[in-house]
Amino acid sequence: AQKVTQAQTEISVVEKEDVTLDCVYETRDTTYYLFWYKQPPSGELVFLIRRNSFDEQNEISGRYSWNFQKSTSSFNFTITASQVVDSAVYFCALGRGGYQKVTFGIGTKLQVIP
Amino acid sequence: DAGVIQSPRHEVTEMGQEVTLRCKPISGHNSLFWYRQTMMRGLELLIYFNNNVPIDDSGMPEDRFSAKMPNASFSTLKIQPSEPRDSAVYFCASSLVPTSGVGNEQFFGPGTRLTVL
Repeated sequence: AQKVTQAQTEISVVEKEDVTLDCVYETRDTTYYLFWYKQPPSGELVFLIRRNSFDEQNEISGRYSWNFQKSTSSFNFTITASQVVDSAVYFCALGRGGYQKVTFGIGTKLQVIP
Repeated sequence: DAGVIQSPRHEVTEMGQEVTLRCKPISGHNSLFWYRQTMMRGLELLIYFNNNVPIDDSGMPEDRFSAKMPNASFSTLKIQPSEPRDSAVYFCASSLVPTSGVGNEQFFGPGTRLTVL
């Protein structure tokens, strides 16, 4: 069975602080895909990143970085120097290789305080 | 390029009425997904289509829900009769699945906020 755990329900940080959102997944598949999505207060879901199970290389995109560790089944997301515009709900998701069905975590609500 | 288009953006109806939600996927995408989001249950996949064919509808709550995809550019989600517990935000998403079938990111529409009184 596929499972995604985002243990942090809500996080509050002061602007310019760094923050890490945790994501732990469970799967029996050897090929799988991990995703992060952002849902700002306006409600739309915005795709941020996809990572394949065979590629453990970490990725950095501006202030965003992702740390994928198969040994701990984690795919954590760090925002450096957070800004108020980063305030949103962030979802981690897991997809199976060869299938399109994706399992979403419950989301972490991030509030960045000015 | 236009993203996923959903209509209406908001729908308020009375219990027992039929509700039809509409979705236009991104042109060229071959998979389409319907999700429901509520505070209690989070984001749930209701059904998804690949090349207009329903692949997995195990998330459809009950027979009151039905979905169709008559062509590659249009899908509907219908609730008949609607009930107050159906109140939620309904998202449509699409993706491009290569022939290898490997997973690809989904692009979401703005959602339809449904309120059933």
